Amino acid sequence: EIVLLQSPDALSLSPGESATLSCRASQSISSTYLAWYQQRPGQAPRVLIYGASSRATGVPDRFSASGTGTDFTLTISSLEPEDFAVYYCQQYSKSVSITFGQGTRLDIK
Amino acid sequence: QVQLVQSATEVKKPGDSVRLSCEAPGDTFTNHLIHWVRQAPGQGLQWVGSIDPLGGHTENAERFQGRVSMTTDTSTTTVYMELSNLIPEDTAVYYCARSDSVLRFLQGYLYFWGQGSLVTVSS
Repeated sequence: EIVLLQSPDALSLSPGESATLSCRASQSISSTYLAWYQQRPGQAPRVLIYGASSRATGVPDRFSASGTGTDFTLTISSLEPEDFAVYYCQQYSKSVSITFGQGTRLDIK
Repeated sequence: QVQLVQSATEVKKPGDSVRLSCEAPGDTFTNHLIHWVRQAPGQGLQWVGSIDPLGGHTENAERFQGRVSMTTDTSTTTVYMELSNLIPEDTAVYYCARSDSVLRFLQGYLYFWGQGSLVTVSS
């Protein structure tokens, strides 16, 4: 099983600031199979990014992502109030079991 | 907009089994894998497994091996997930979800989600 470790566990920022979230895999993943999700309280997760850097339909362009191999990053520029939520990375390589990171909680400072 | 409609809340005792359902749109039912993901209270996301409605092939996380079973009913375009020998740690919201990709090898990212089914396991 591929373990995904996200950092930090929590991040406190103000609206308008930028956030950088990290996801490190225990072994190399093809960037084709890395996604990022946002989850607001009481809601189902929402996919933001798939294929490591492709924004899902309807996702604002302040969300961007990059990475290869074992290190991946989600960047949120100019935080809006609705961006304060929990973020998860996920790998979905067909050859191994799907796994999620433990999540990064983004709080309003 | 694709809607996945899940069954209601369940309360079970340790050792019981629970069977959850997820109704998917009929016109694209066999085109997409259906995944099950669970979330214990205050915890993160945990993939349970997936089923391909075209043929019924299933995959599941190793931790659920021997306890989880997934099936489909193509006549009602419904997917079922049964988890047996329940323990209190199985208390969670169980989501069904699927991708928007038409390429099966990319259908691991989850675009459409059901509303979730809360399963509570308590003696």
